[in-house]
Amino acid sequence: EVQLVESGGGLAQPGGSLRLSCAASGFTFSNYWMSWVRQAPGKGPEWVANIKPDGSEKYYADSVKGRFTISRDNGKNSLFLQMNYLGADDTAVYSCVRSKLGDLDFWGQGTLVTVSS
Amino acid sequence: DIQMTQSPSTLSASVGDRVTITCRASQSINSWLAWYQQKPGKAPKLLIYKASNLESGVPSRFTGSGSGTEFILTISCLQPDDFATYYCQQYNSYSLFTFGPGTKVDFK
Repeated sequence: EVQLVESGGGLAQPGGSLRLSCAASGFTFSNYWMSWVRQAPGKGPEWVANIKPDGSEKYYADSVKGRFTISRDNGKNSLFLQMNYLGADDTAVYSCVRSKLGDLDFWGQGTLVTVSS
Repeated sequence: DIQMTQSPSTLSASVGDRVTITCRASQSINSWLAWYQQKPGKAPKLLIYKASNLESGVPSRFTGSGSGTEFILTISCLQPDDFATYYCQQYNSYSLFTFGPGTKVDFK
């Protein structure tokens, strides 16, 4: 059974940092593109970042470019999102998502990030 | 950047109705489009990929069609479990994914 379990969310101050983690199991993690997708309260999903199976290519939404960094450790079946210079607009549930051909076929339940002073 | 629009934003329907939701892309995305269903407090669920391919385990009353810039999700006979919000997503390139704003299907 495919499982994606996020952790690392919580309360951060404006301008602060958080590092999200995602533990993957039930599939060959190193074969798949992975994504982070966030959803602000009452809003639709917003794609945040993608990473290639071998980690050699990474892409970001304009809204996070230069502030967030996606990475992975295939040996530990783990995906990460380092988030710096957080602002109120970054408040959302962040989900780790497996990408098949670009369609997003398995989603974690997400971890809530709240940015507030 | 590719922008996605959906219509209608809200759709009121009854069990047994045929429902259609339209998604439009600001430029051609060939068939690189997915449809998702989301219920409150839950992660989105993939229904359709590559515009018209039914994801495993999804009921056959869901069909997707279209290519280029216009796409349609059809629910042939609405069931009680189908009242939810539906999103389209383009994936023409791994460098940029974009979701539509969503269509909420609620009870008439």
